[in-house]
Amino acid sequence: KAGVTQTPRYLIKTRGQQVTLSCSPISGHRSVSWYQQTPGQGLQFLFEYFSETQRNKGNFPGRFSGRQFSNSRSEMNVSTLELGDSALYLCASSWYRGFEAFFGQGTRLTVV
Amino acid sequence: TQLLEQSPQFLSIQEGENLTVYCNSSSVFSSLQWYRQEPGEGPVLLVTVVTGGEVKKLKRLTFQFGDARKDSSLHITAAQPGDTGLYLCAGALETSGSRLTFGEGTQLTVNP
Repeated sequence: KAGVTQTPRYLIKTRGQQVTLSCSPISGHRSVSWYQQTPGQGLQFLFEYFSETQRNKGNFPGRFSGRQFSNSRSEMNVSTLELGDSALYLCASSWYRGFEAFFGQGTRLTVV
Repeated sequence: TQLLEQSPQFLSIQEGENLTVYCNSSSVFSSLQWYRQEPGEGPVLLVTVVTGGEVKKLKRLTFQFGDARKDSSLHITAAQPGDTGLYLCAGALETSGSRLTFGEGTQLTVNP
């Protein structure tokens, strides 16, 4: 069974641009969550999607948004990029809400 | 205020030694998960504990969930260089769906 797939693995963007990251969950998993990982803040929760609806949102500005499609695949978007948005963005999938989470390899975003 | 306090933050030991990592909170978790992460990669799930007092063993790793489901520990026996990595505990609250709250992590280095 394939694991969680995140694309792209690496991304370099300029301040002010926007970016879209993609996550394909494990087959059969319906819940997708996104996290931001930085050396100073550790792993911080961004949002959770289940059945194409955002169920939970972390304490991030509105520039961070996401969506989930009917096949459970998810995307997150960051607009008007800032230098501080440089981080490893991780996607996790669960069979159902509250079940154990499996992470993808992450997307390393660098904002210059 | 960090919801999950993980200690120690750094640990450097010699091959063959034993070690314990602690994860503590004042909140009650419905489940707690332990992950191991390599640089630039996503966290890999090691174990999930859900019952107060539960003990799970994974080869040389022993995981324990506190009776009150507020704390957990990871004990490694006879550590090996291959155990080197970032160990993360993550808790799920009853009402948080798939949202996980992470500890700060323990960076373990096992020297040959």
